[in-house]
Amino acid sequence: GAVVSQHPSRVICKSGTSVKIECRSLDFQATTMFWYRQFPKQSLMLMATSNEGSKATYEQGVEKDKFLINHASLTLSTLTVTSAHPEDSSFYICSARDYSRGPHTDTQYFGPGTRLTVL
Amino acid sequence: LAKTTQPISMDSYEGQEVNITCSHNNIATNDYITWYQQFPSQGPRFIIQGYKTKVTNEVASLFIPADRKSSTLSLPRVSLSDTAVYYCLVGGDILTGGGNKLTFGTGTQLKVEL
Repeated sequence: GAVVSQHPSRVICKSGTSVKIECRSLDFQATTMFWYRQFPKQSLMLMATSNEGSKATYEQGVEKDKFLINHASLTLSTLTVTSAHPEDSSFYICSARDYSRGPHTDTQYFGPGTRLTVL
Repeated sequence: LAKTTQPISMDSYEGQEVNITCSHNNIATNDYITWYQQFPSQGPRFIIQGYKTKVTNEVASLFIPADRKSSTLSLPRVSLSDTAVYYCLVGGDILTGGGNKLTFGTGTQLKVEL
């Protein structure tokens, strides 16, 4: 089946630094990827939609200058948390859409997640 | 985006069949239904997807009535390792003009005991 990887799986950083998280679709091309954030005991919250070759679309309330998204190729999207603060500590998960099999087979596959801890 | 409603939690015992029902009253014509499983500190794992009637794969079955306003995930003979949160999502198909994103609801916490 389709595999999505994330790197790093875990990162601890000091307040004020920037952190980059990579999301890769390993065996399929993904023109669309999504970034989610999940706090403990809560559901996933969509942050933004990443489209290859164009600007990301951010959900309401998500600061685009703080969470920079780049989708430079069909298999890679990156999320950079700029000037991270303790309140940015969370579990970040990406997903990639695979619709290569035709109508009504469009499926999102999720990465394993990245645990960000800002001290 | 179609909103989904699921039970917050369910309890079961090993070896039993578990059915989790999801309500999605305002599902659109182009929307399909997908179920995911999530363990703590892991990304959601795809379980099954369907558009109408019944779909079965090696791990689960998905029942969708004719009006498509609900769906039921059926897990046969659960084990302790099936303890997880299960999410039902409805979403549009890009290729047929549907929406482009999925919205997660609260999910159902399934607890399987001995």
